[in-house]
Amino acid sequence: NAGVTQTPKFRVLKTGQSMTLLCAQDMNHEYMYWYRQDPGMGLRLIHYSVGEGTTAKGEVPDGYNVSRLKKQNFLLGLESAAPSQTSVYFCASSYGQSVETQYFGPGTRLLVL
Amino acid sequence: AQSVTQLGSHVSVSEGALVLLRCNYSSSVPPYLFWYVQYPNQGLQLLLKYTTGATLVKGINGFEAEFKKSETSFHLTKPSAHMSDAAEYFCAVWANQAGTALIFGKGTTLSVSS
Repeated sequence: NAGVTQTPKFRVLKTGQSMTLLCAQDMNHEYMYWYRQDPGMGLRLIHYSVGEGTTAKGEVPDGYNVSRLKKQNFLLGLESAAPSQTSVYFCASSYGQSVETQYFGPGTRLLVL
Repeated sequence: AQSVTQLGSHVSVSEGALVLLRCNYSSSVPPYLFWYVQYPNQGLQLLLKYTTGATLVKGINGFEAEFKKSETSFHLTKPSAHMSDAAEYFCAVWANQAGTALIFGKGTTLSVSS
């Protein structure tokens, strides 16, 4: 039982390049989330999904797209990376919302030059 | 709108001393409250949560928190700090409204010295 895994762990991009971050969970959770963590800002929700094939915007969705084609996977895409997207990205999953515990992956550190 | 304020971005204590990390929330509906911990270079993990019922909540590693509605607070405490408690701690609120998710505070870094 690996929990929540994220690929890659670290990536350097040049401005304008694109990339996809992969999140996978093996807990059969319905809900999945992408957050970004910046110093002094805490965690901010980018996008989330309440089930396979559904996604919704969070607090800071601009510049990102997501897809949930399979229940266990949640992909975060950057179509044209900008230096402002330099951050640590965390994926999380949960069985339900509200009282349910969110389980976090180890994070992906992204540097955009 | 729901929000969380963590008082003090950095708290330093000596090993064996009381740990007190402060969290105040703003919510127009009864909140669900959480404390998460993040150890260096790791993801977040749940310490404890308050949903309903007993206002004093016990979590892992000897931590506990008390929900005080009148003070809109959910402070985290531990009677005796251990070196291994050094980490970043996040308070979060869920206000039971459709279409929302956890709202995190900005975090408090706890340092423990010997």
